[in-house]
Amino acid sequence: GAGVSQSPSNKVTEKGKDVELRCDPISGHTALYWYRQRLGQGLEFLIYFQGNSAPDKSGLPSDRFSAERTGESVSTLTIQRTQQEDSAVYLCASSLVAGEQETQYFGPGTRLLVL
Amino acid sequence: AQTVTQSQPEMSVQEAETVTLSCTYDTSENNYYLFWYKQPPSRQMILVIRQEAYKQQNATENRFSVNFQKAAKSFSLKISDSQLGDTAMYFCAFMKHSGYALNFGKGTSLLVTP
Repeated sequence: GAGVSQSPSNKVTEKGKDVELRCDPISGHTALYWYRQRLGQGLEFLIYFQGNSAPDKSGLPSDRFSAERTGESVSTLTIQRTQQEDSAVYLCASSLVAGEQETQYFGPGTRLLVL
Repeated sequence: AQTVTQSQPEMSVQEAETVTLSCTYDTSENNYYLFWYKQPPSRQMILVIRQEAYKQQNATENRFSVNFQKAAKSFSLKISDSQLGDTAMYFCAFMKHSGYALNFGKGTSLLVTP
């Protein structure tokens, strides 16, 4: 596709349920990033992938959060046992390679609401 | 850790006028990169302009320009000839040299009025 796509666009879930958020990066981009945007806040970095490896997971808020990437393409962010504080927009971005020289292109995000 | 501060939560400007959005940051790094991103209601973050800290010349992209003051750790965005389509949230972001994660400010909501 022409840009980064994410699905679902919106997700409403009940507290305690698990959710999976999907990101399809721009074709050929080896680096992929996940950010979280809480209401009225800037974006918080969660994790990034270079290829299928995640060198830095330090931004993940808790062990309920995990992410994987396969085939140097699609990535899924999984949140287990969701809490109301997990409500946010989750944004994915990709770039040719990881690094400050490369522009990160963002998807439209998934808005998650935990009731 | 780097922090990015945007002190103007909301701003408005009339069409065709000029507006300046403020951003300050705190870092001990000497080499780094600064960005302005735009987020319209569609939620998609779009890169507006970027600046390398080692370059003294201010970056310019059409109607968008920055005033980068390294000593003051200030990085403001000037939008000239504002257009209705410029209405959006604007985020200032920092990335250290050899980094990969963007550190964002809380954003400034800009409204362009007819």
